[in-house]
Amino acid sequence: DAGITQSPRHKVTETGTPVTLRCHQTENHRYMYWYRQDPGHGLRLIHYSYGVKDTDKGEVSDGYSVSRSKTEDFLLTLESATSSQTSVYFCAISESNTRTGSYEQYFGPGTRLTVT
Amino acid sequence: SQQGEEDPQALSIQEGENATMNCSYKTSINNLQWYRQNSGRGLVHLILIRSNEREKHSGRLRVTLDTSKKSSSLLITASRAADTASYFCATAQGAQKLVFGQGTRLTINP
Repeated sequence: DAGITQSPRHKVTETGTPVTLRCHQTENHRYMYWYRQDPGHGLRLIHYSYGVKDTDKGEVSDGYSVSRSKTEDFLLTLESATSSQTSVYFCAISESNTRTGSYEQYFGPGTRLTVT
Repeated sequence: SQQGEEDPQALSIQEGENATMNCSYKTSINNLQWYRQNSGRGLVHLILIRSNEREKHSGRLRVTLDTSKKSSSLLITASRAADTASYFCATAQGAQKLVFGQGTRLTINP
């Protein structure tokens, strides 16, 4: 978890309210990702960013938006939270490994979100 | 849809025994990675094997890759209680995105 923090770590909110989760990195990595983890589904990519103001959708992007105004911060917003968005959300970062040329990902500690 | 599928979904063994987990995938890959997740924590990268490699070692970990069968296996030798965790394979088709399987929950009994 070194170099990656997520806030808040736990949140309970009501259906219909907006929610913003924050991911902050100190590694200066170019790529940042938001995943959700649910029983029986593993990790699914919501959105990712390949640079400041550059983002793209993942597998399960409906109902979510993201923003990246600076390298170190990647925000995930649920515009109007629904019960189906109750999940554990993980942020990850990556950069090209100069030895392998591949992109290993490094994960934050997660945010447990409950929508009632 | 998930690219990788791990087998078995759960595995329980005695400390000191070897643990083998398998991963199958559907499309061509650049590399395949294995991650570990301890309960309530984020995933931790364990090992990466490139599509032109057949076997890779790291400490007590051994990974194999068979691209003709679109499958990989992770072997943990001489298991310890601290190895209790969920293990995920992840495939990279493009350069920066990974697709994760649903994981194998490994329990090491003392």
